[in-house]
Amino acid sequence: DIQMTQSPSSLSASVGDTVTITCRASQRFASYLNWYQQKPGKAPSLLIYSVSRLQGGVPSRFSGAGSGPEFTLTITSLQPDDFATYYCQQTHSFPYSFGQGTKLEI
Amino acid sequence: QVHLQQSGAGLVRPSGTLSLTCDVSGGSISDTNWWSWVRQPPGKGLEWIGIIYHRGEVDDDGSANANYHPSLERRVTISVDTSKNRFFLKLTSLTAADTAVYYCARTNQQLADDSWGQGVLVTVSS
Repeated sequence: DIQMTQSPSSLSASVGDTVTITCRASQRFASYLNWYQQKPGKAPSLLIYSVSRLQGGVPSRFSGAGSGPEFTLTITSLQPDDFATYYCQQTHSFPYSFGQGTKLEI
Repeated sequence: QVHLQQSGAGLVRPSGTLSLTCDVSGGSISDTNWWSWVRQPPGKGLEWIGIIYHRGEVDDDGSANANYHPSLERRVTISVDTSKNRFFLKLTSLTAADTAVYYCARTNQQLADDSWGQGVLVTVSS
């Protein structure tokens, strides 16, 4: 099974900042790495798929990069709406798995 | 734009069975997509439960179209009813550790969950 480890677990930042969240996989793979945003009491929402492809409707200040085993999600010019919890997910092989989440706080 | 609407019991007794339905609208469940279930224990992260192809658990030639997390596969079944455009989650032999918000999702051809249900909190308690 592939284990996904996110860092940091929590992150404090201010509006206008740039932040980077890292996701490290226990095995190497090149693609099928997704990023989700989740706000309290809501379902997750897809931000990035296939490492770096922006889901439709997602602002361009979100970007993804990397290749196994390390992947990153970068958010530039943080907006108030961006303060949420972020999860990476690998769908390279079964069982699919999520990172433990990164809570981005003001 | 596909929309997923979940329904099912929110309180189940220990050793009982969880049964959830996910109704798909705005598109056909028989489109070339996979359909997934994910859960989230209170205050914790996301846990992948399993996935099914629109053709159902087993294809005509006997090949499996569903895959489950190994920790759950003895207790979990995901199925599809294409005539009603819905899919299902069944989880048996419940314990308190199964208490969670359960989400259904559409998994697209890039193997990303691009549409989600609203989530249902299932509490296992007597």
